[in-house]
Amino acid sequence: NAGVTQTPKFQVLKTGQSMTLQCAQDMNHNSMYWYRQDPGMGLRLIYYSASEGTTDKGEVPNGYNVSRLNKREFSLRLESAAPSQTSVYFCASSAPGLRFDQPQHFGDGTRLSIL
Amino acid sequence: KQEVTQIPAALSVPEGENLVLNCSFTDSAIYNLQWFRQDPGKGLTSLLLIQSSQREQTSGRLNASLDKSSGRSTLYIAASQPGDSATYLCAVRRGGDYGQNFVFGPGTRLSVLP
Repeated sequence: NAGVTQTPKFQVLKTGQSMTLQCAQDMNHNSMYWYRQDPGMGLRLIYYSASEGTTDKGEVPNGYNVSRLNKREFSLRLESAAPSQTSVYFCASSAPGLRFDQPQHFGDGTRLSIL
Repeated sequence: KQEVTQIPAALSVPEGENLVLNCSFTDSAIYNLQWFRQDPGKGLTSLLLIQSSQREQTSGRLNASLDKSSGRSTLYIAASQPGDSATYLCAVRRGGDYGQNFVFGPGTRLSVLP
């Protein structure tokens, strides 16, 4: 069972470069999320997609864009990378369920360094 | 704004001990609370999910409790093993938020010594 798959696993960029982080899930989930994890700060939500065709900002959306390509795929794009975006990025998915009672499932993360 | 804290930040115990990890949240209007395990360089693995209407959930040597009124959850690990060494995170799913978003605590880093 693949679950949530993220690519790439590691990436080093120079300031100002752009790149797209890819995420795909095979659990037929409606909702997908992008988080960043920084030391001492826990996970913070960047963007989410409650269902196919919709995306919304989370807690820290500045400097990022997202695309919900289809039900399976949700990508995160850095248009002009900055050193402050050095972080570990996690994609997650969940089925909405009644009363939002479904757990989240996470990918293994993308470790991104901006020089 | 919902804030989640976890105490202690780090914990080191000898193998075989029973231990308790704590999670506190400021807004009791939650749908559920989820405990995760994160191994170094890896993603988050879901351990237990407690709905707002529940008091506890058990899985093997793990037991998680929830007291919504006081804004607290505990994760109890019985007979700890070196393989339990990891960072444990709790996350609450906010109520009244169509985005169904989780708010995470910073985690407790657990080391179980052989």
